[in-house]
Amino acid sequence: EAEVAQSPRYKITEKSQAVAFWCDPISGHATLYWYRQILGQGPELLVQFQDESVVDDSQLPKDRFSAERLKGVDSTLKIQPAELGDSAMYLCASGLGGANTGELFFGEGSRLTVL
Amino acid sequence: AQTVTQSQPEMSVQEAETVTLSCTYDTSENNYYLFWYKQPPSRQMILVIRQEAYKQQNATENRFSVNFQKAAKSFSLKISDSQLGDTAMYFCAFMRKGAQKLVFGQGTRLTINP
Repeated sequence: EAEVAQSPRYKITEKSQAVAFWCDPISGHATLYWYRQILGQGPELLVQFQDESVVDDSQLPKDRFSAERLKGVDSTLKIQPAELGDSAMYLCASGLGGANTGELFFGEGSRLTVL
Repeated sequence: AQTVTQSQPEMSVQEAETVTLSCTYDTSENNYYLFWYKQPPSRQMILVIRQEAYKQQNATENRFSVNFQKAAKSFSLKISDSQLGDTAMYFCAFMRKGAQKLVFGQGTRLTINP
């Protein structure tokens, strides 16, 4: 069964360091999403891609976060410099887009701890 | 902007019991979808059930069913004959038709006890 792949599963870093997360969506899925989930809360959208284009990055802290999906397939989310408040689970999800009735498929997430 | 509210941070029931999780939402849209997603401990989030707002009939998936009250903007999830494997965080989510992005509630942590 096709799954959304994410790496690393766990990352511990010191504040002011750079960190990057990678996501490989399900093959053929046009839309890709990065969500941030703080412990005990619901996921919040950081960025949404349609193929290689950004559709929504209104909640992405652009002074320190960047995201790209250069060939419209896999994606990288980068944080530089990391801050203590960035400690969270970073979830990647993908979907068919277009006429899709809304189901998103999630990866297992990348848990970031900033010390 | 749409908001989704889950007022029960935690719930706990005995195996085989029925449990209902609550969700309310706020939107001015007329065409949208509502979802319940399940996030087991250390596992990925998966879709439990989906409801299309224009359908009056409540969605069902085996032991899972919803009570969709569009006028009241309420969307509760009922789990019948609960099983240990139902232990998870449950998130209610909203998607405006055509927007292709989910807005999540805060989640309800459900524990099924043996």
